[in-house]
This record gives sequence, C-alpha cells and structure tokens, in this order.
Amino acid sequence: NAGVTQTPKFRILKIGQSMTLQCAQDMNHNYMYWYRQDPGMGLKLIYYSVGAGITDKGEVPNGYNVSRSTTEDFPLRLELAAPSQTSVYFCASSPTSGGPNEQFFGPGTRLTVL
Amino acid sequence: GQQVMQIPQYQHVQEGEDFTTYCNSSTTLSNIQWYKQRPGGHPVFLIQLVKSGEVKKQKRLTFQFGEAKKNSSLHITATQTTDVGTYFCAGRDYGQNFVFGPGTRLSALP
Repeated sequence: NAGVTQTPKFRILKIGQSMTLQCAQDMNHNYMYWYRQDPGMGLKLIYYSVGAGITDKGEVPNGYNVSRSTTEDFPLRLELAAPSQTSVYFCASSPTSGGPNEQFFGPGTRLTVL
Repeated sequence: GQQVMQIPQYQHVQEGEDFTTYCNSSTTLSNIQWYKQRPGGHPVFLIQLVKSGEVKKQKRLTFQFGEAKKNSSLHITATQTTDVGTYFCAGRDYGQNFVFGPGTRLSALP
C-alpha cells in the first residue's frame, strides 16, 4: 500500500493564481482531512470529509474548496491565491471504526505564494 | 471553540536526560492522540488515550491522560538523539475532529 500520497511536493504561485492540491489514499478509509501548518506552528484543519460525497468546513476554510467524489481522492482547491496561504499542506485519512482511529498523513505539499 | 495548548514550546536536553511535555484543553476531551513530526517530515501517530487517568507506555515513552480528561502528558526517559522532533497532542471533544496543539519542539545534544 502506498498509504496517503500528495502531489505536488512543492509549488510556487503568484498572487491571484489558482491550483489544486491532490490527495489520494489506498487504505479504504472513509475519513479524510486537509490541514495547513505554518512555520513553527501546529496543524489547522481546513476541511474534512466523512465519506464520498460529504464534506464539511474545519477551523480555517476561507479561500479553499474541496470535493470528495470517490473514497480514494480528496483534492483541495485554492482560488485566488494570497500570501497568507503560504504554508505546508498535509492531507490525512483515518478509518471510521476499529483501532485507535489514528490519522495517517501524507508527505505534504509546500506552497509559496508570491 | 475548543483550544489545545502545549508547554513548553521548546526544550533542549542533553542526551540521557528526561523530557516531559504537557497538553491542556479548554474543554473535556473524549480522547487524545499524540503525534511526532521529525524536521521536514509529516506527523506520525504515536498513541491514543481514551480513559480517565489512563497511562500507557511505549518503551521509553510514557503517556498519561488526566483524571478530568482535560490534560495529558508525554514523558521520555533518557532522551536519545532519535527522539528529536516536534511532539503534538491532538484533542477530540465529542465532535468529529481533533484539534492539534502547537507542539513542543525537542532538541537533544549528544
């Protein structure tokens, strides 16, 4: 199993540009999450999904959108990029039942908006 | 909303010394998780605590959940250079999601 994969690893955007951060998991997890981590800080939840077709806002959703058309994929869309969105973005997934419901994180996407 | 704090923010230790980080929530938690993130890496799950007063050990790491289920601690005995990284707690109230603390960054001198 590849676990949670994210693309791209790095990206530089100009102010006002848009992009989609890709996230996929092959563990058949129902729960998926998007976090951002600013330098030296903890993780802030942007959006989450409890299953295909269901998404909900987290703590810091403004400026982002998500979709969940399949169990495997959970892309994050940035519209009109701003310097405040410079951050490392982590996607994570977790099972719904059984075990400790740990979150499995992808390697992250480092985004710079200039 | 729910807030999770951690102290200290940074800790420098000599290899072989003990280390403790504390996590405090503004609300009662249903459970709490701990993660470790190496520099440049992604968070990796360490453990989940569910019961009031629960204590769990993983080799040199001891995790504790407070009686009131509002605080937790991670204690590392005889720190090694492989322990270096940032330790995050993530508290879950009775909703869907976990709120992460800001983390404690541990550095160790050999």
